[in-house]
This record gives sequence, structure tokens and C-alpha cells, in this order.
Amino acid sequence: EIVLTQSPATLSLSPGERATLSCRASQSVSSYLAWYQQKPGQAPRLLIYDASNRATGIPARFSGSGSGTDFTLTISSLEPEDFAVYYCQQRSNWPPRLTFGPGTKVDIK
Amino acid sequence: QLQLQESGPGLVKPSETLSLTCTVSGGSISSSSYYWGWIRQPPGKGLEWIGSIYYSGSTYYNPSLKSRVTISVDTSKNQFSLKLSSVTAADTAVYYCARPGGGDWGQGTLVTVSS
Repeated sequence: EIVLTQSPATLSLSPGERATLSCRASQSVSSYLAWYQQKPGQAPRLLIYDASNRATGIPARFSGSGSGTDFTLTISSLEPEDFAVYYCQQRSNWPPRLTFGPGTKVDIK
Repeated sequence: QLQLQESGPGLVKPSETLSLTCTVSGGSISSSSYYWGWIRQPPGKGLEWIGSIYYSGSTYYNPSLKSRVTISVDTSKNQFSLKLSSVTAADTAVYYCARPGGGDWGQGTLVTVSS
């Protein structure tokens, strides 16, 4: 079973700063890695799929990189609406399974 | 654009079966391009995948829940459903239906297990 680890657990930053979030898999997931943003009381919103592809309507300040076991979500310049919890998620081909990381909370410093 | 909506009881008694339905609009649930899933989130905690169903009808479940979970699809109603048996307080969560491959999620429904 693939386990995802996210770091840091909490990231305290100011608007305008750059945010770098990490997700590490216990074994290779190729590029089958997605990133979600979740705000209180809302469903998760897909930001990045297949490690580096922005989902429809996602601003260019969000970017994803990595492959294999190490992945990064970067927010180039934080906007007030970006303060939220971010989850990484992998999709294994066989058996087909989804796994979520524990999340990184980005809060206002 | 796909829209998904969960429905079902918000309160379930311990040892009973939790049943939820997800109604899909804006697309066919039978499309070979899609697979569907259920994810839950206990209050204040992270996301847990429950299981998925493919257009072929094949189902795959989280090993930790497999003995209690059934996911099925009703193509005539464009719906898929979740049944979770023998629930306990630990199953209290917001339950989401989703098309994980496309990032489409329902708004979620809170299910509380309590007598």
C-alpha cells in the first residue's frame, strides 16, 4: 500500500509570499499525483493532475512538479483566497486505489 | 460540466447500514471515460478514499473498509450508491461522491452515527 507524506504540516506565510508544499510517496507513483485545495465547509477542489497539469480554471500561480516519489506544489505569490488546506492524492493502476496525504495547512502569518 | 449531488439520511444508528446515493447530471454515468468514487472526511480530519466503481461495473474498495462496503451503479437513473454496514461512531464523517479522474465532487453530506 502506498503511503503519502506531506510536509510541512502547517505553513505560516504572508500574502505575496511564495509557498512550497511537499508530498512524498512511499514508492513510485510515476506521475499519477494530484493536488487539491480545501477551504472550511467546502469540497476539495482539484488544482493539479498528473503531477504538473493545472486543472481547468486554476490560476497560473499554482504549479506542480515532480515524478516518482517526490512532488512539489508551488504557489508563486499567495493571494488571500489561497489560505487553505492542501492535499496530495495518488492513483495506483493496480489494484486501482486512491490515497490521500494528511494535508498541509497554509495559514496567514 | 458534470454536477454531482449526494443524498441520504444524515443520522444512522450504530450497527445499522449507511446508505447514500449520488446523482450525476451533465454527463452519462456509463461513459467509458469515467470512474466514480466515494471519499469521506471525519470532522476536523483528512480525506479517506472509500472505493470506486468503473463503467464496466468493476468495484475497488479501501482494504480497511472492504468487508463493510458496497458500491453500485444504476445507469437508468444516472446514479451510483454507497452502502456501509455495521457502522460505528468512527464512521461519522462528511461523505463525498466524486469523479476522481476529472476533479468533479459533490458538495458532501454529513452523516452522523449515533443512537
